Amino acid sequence: GAVVSQHPSRVICKSGTSVKIECRSLDFQATTMFWYRQFPKKSLMLMATSNEGSKATYEQGVEKDKFLINHASLTLSTLTVTSAHPEDSSFYICSARDSSRADTQYFGPGTRLTVL
Amino acid sequence: GENVEQHPSTLSVQEGDSAVIKCTYSDSASNYFPWYKQELGKRPQLIIDIRSNVGEKKDQRIAVTLNKTAKHFSLHITETQPEDSAVYFCAASTQAGTALIFGKGTTLSVSS
Repeated sequence: GAVVSQHPSRVICKSGTSVKIECRSLDFQATTMFWYRQFPKKSLMLMATSNEGSKATYEQGVEKDKFLINHASLTLSTLTVTSAHPEDSSFYICSARDSSRADTQYFGPGTRLTVL
Repeated sequence: GENVEQHPSTLSVQEGDSAVIKCTYSDSASNYFPWYKQELGKRPQLIIDIRSNVGEKKDQRIAVTLNKTAKHFSLHITETQPEDSAVYFCAASTQAGTALIFGKGTTLSVSS
């Protein structure tokens, strides 16, 4: 399958700071990427759809001013958690759509965010 | 919006037995149904998917069946092995490439 990377894999930050997470498609171009949040032993919750060159589409209940998404190129989408608080601690996973592989979505390895 | 229900939440089988996980969905417009396997601390990995123009698809020990009339689809794993132990998620979307809505997951434990 296609390869999607995420950076960093793990981050610990202080409350009130901002954290940027990168999602890259390494061997294909992705006009669409998705950001999910996963709590321990829980399912993946869709946060937003990231479209290259346009604004992200956020799911109901997700604060767009808190979770800033930028998809400036066909291989990179970033999620910035602004003014992070302990309740933002979670596992954040991105996926990228590969249109050359029947639009199959491939997931990144995830980023474990811990806000102190 | 789409809602995906998945059962059971946990499943324990003996090595060599079969395992079946079932999902139902609510949006009749959904036509793409992938299954992902996630090991602890790792990314979800696509193991099989099915599109609405197909009723069944098989890949070695793994098969998926789809009943569009009843809006349910199932994952079948035969001859289970300990390395099949993981959390399995079903998902649905209106077409491949659009946002996936996931079920709550099934923790499969295969004991030897």
